[in-house]
Amino acid sequence: TQLLEQSPQFLSIQEGENLTVYCNSSSVFSSLQWYRQEPGEGPVLLVTVVTGGEVKKLKRLTFQFGDARKDSSLHITAAQPGDTGLYLCAGWWRSGAGSYQLTFGKGTKLSVIP
Amino acid sequence: NAGVTQTPKFRILKIGQSMTLQCTQDMNHNYMYWYRQDPGMGLKLIYYSVGAGITDKGEVPNGYNVSRSTTEDFPLRLELAAPSQTSVYFCASSYQGTNYNEQFFGPGTRLTVL
Repeated sequence: TQLLEQSPQFLSIQEGENLTVYCNSSSVFSSLQWYRQEPGEGPVLLVTVVTGGEVKKLKRLTFQFGDARKDSSLHITAAQPGDTGLYLCAGWWRSGAGSYQLTFGKGTKLSVIP
Repeated sequence: NAGVTQTPKFRILKIGQSMTLQCTQDMNHNYMYWYRQDPGMGLKLIYYSVGAGITDKGEVPNGYNVSRSTTEDFPLRLELAAPSQTSVYFCASSYQGTNYNEQFFGPGTRLTVL
């Protein structure tokens, strides 16, 4: 089983500040996804990065996939209270049986204070 | 479209009881998954299915069983409930099992075993 380490586990910041969340592994992943989860709901996909070194932007959110495809980061510019939630990174990898499986990190719980 | 629906939303079981968590999707997705989410532990894959009649174990399958008789339904069965199975259970589906597909999650079932 592949492992993904996310940091920090908790983050509390003031509205307008910038922040970065990290997702690291010693294993190579075929691709990495970032999901956001609200309390009482299931995760919702934000982005998928597939190519090493790839950078994707989604409004104030910037996602990067490491060159070696072992790590990823999520940067939020000028955080807003609506960004509050649990951010999960997840990596796709190919099992011995040949099927792709998704491994999740433990998540980063973000609170943006107005 | 309703997407992925799960029932019940909450349930309390006594040790040794059994129950079935229901999951239905109306997106005609081939792949379906069951995850459990413990506090601070991310999501762990219990079982998955690549199509009707085909299921396979994930990372934490012990104590659970699944079946997939139709494309739409993927129930999860707990035969002898144990306190270690207290968790939030999420069902998900995706169109394919490739390394870039989005997984669509249901709202979850919160299970407590006392």
